[in-house]
Amino acid sequence: NAGVTQTPKFQVLKTGQSMTLQCAQDMNHNSMYWYRQDPGMGLRLIYYSASEGTTDKGEVPNGYNVSRLNKREFSLRLESAAPSQTSVYFCASSAPGQTNTEAFFGQGTRLTVV
Amino acid sequence: RKEVEQDPGPFNVPEGATVAFNCTYSNSASQSFFWYRQDCRKEPKLLMSVYSSGNEDGRFTAQLNRASQYISLLIRDSKLSDSATYLCHRESGGSYIPTFGRGTSLIVHP
Repeated sequence: NAGVTQTPKFQVLKTGQSMTLQCAQDMNHNSMYWYRQDPGMGLRLIYYSASEGTTDKGEVPNGYNVSRLNKREFSLRLESAAPSQTSVYFCASSAPGQTNTEAFFGQGTRLTVV
Repeated sequence: RKEVEQDPGPFNVPEGATVAFNCTYSNSASQSFFWYRQDCRKEPKLLMSVYSSGNEDGRFTAQLNRASQYISLLIRDSKLSDSATYLCHRESGGSYIPTFGRGTSLIVHP
């Protein structure tokens, strides 16, 4: 019963390096999301995908790109990492419009950009 | 103005106390609400759903007031293990974007 799986759990990057955060869910949810969480700022939506084949910007999309590879997988890419992107990243999925619409989260990725 | 607002706290209460948090929302079309619990350095996890008729689960009671556009979470007989951050979550039936409050920190001390 995996739910939402995120990799990696920890990552240290140098400024300017690129990386991709992977996320997969096995609950057959249509919608998937990427959030970042910084102290005192709560969860801020970076990008979301309402359904397979669609992606849209959230509150803080600059410096990120996403790919909804299929219904299960939604990846987040940092093309040129900056220290301001040091954060904890959470992937989540849900099934809006269904009976149970709560969001399920991955365990998070702790990213440090030096 | 953020669509969902919470007092960040921290709420510092002794064991056994009753504590309540509110969360106000600005989208009157909002349909579903939830409370999540987030422990330090962990992911948020669903605590309970919020219904117009109220929802009680042991020591926890959640209420929705649509007229005043807020939801509440009441914790009775607080335990040390209740120390965490509590996030409110609005799910709109017409939108695919779930919105979270910034969270309210609760610290229960002996």
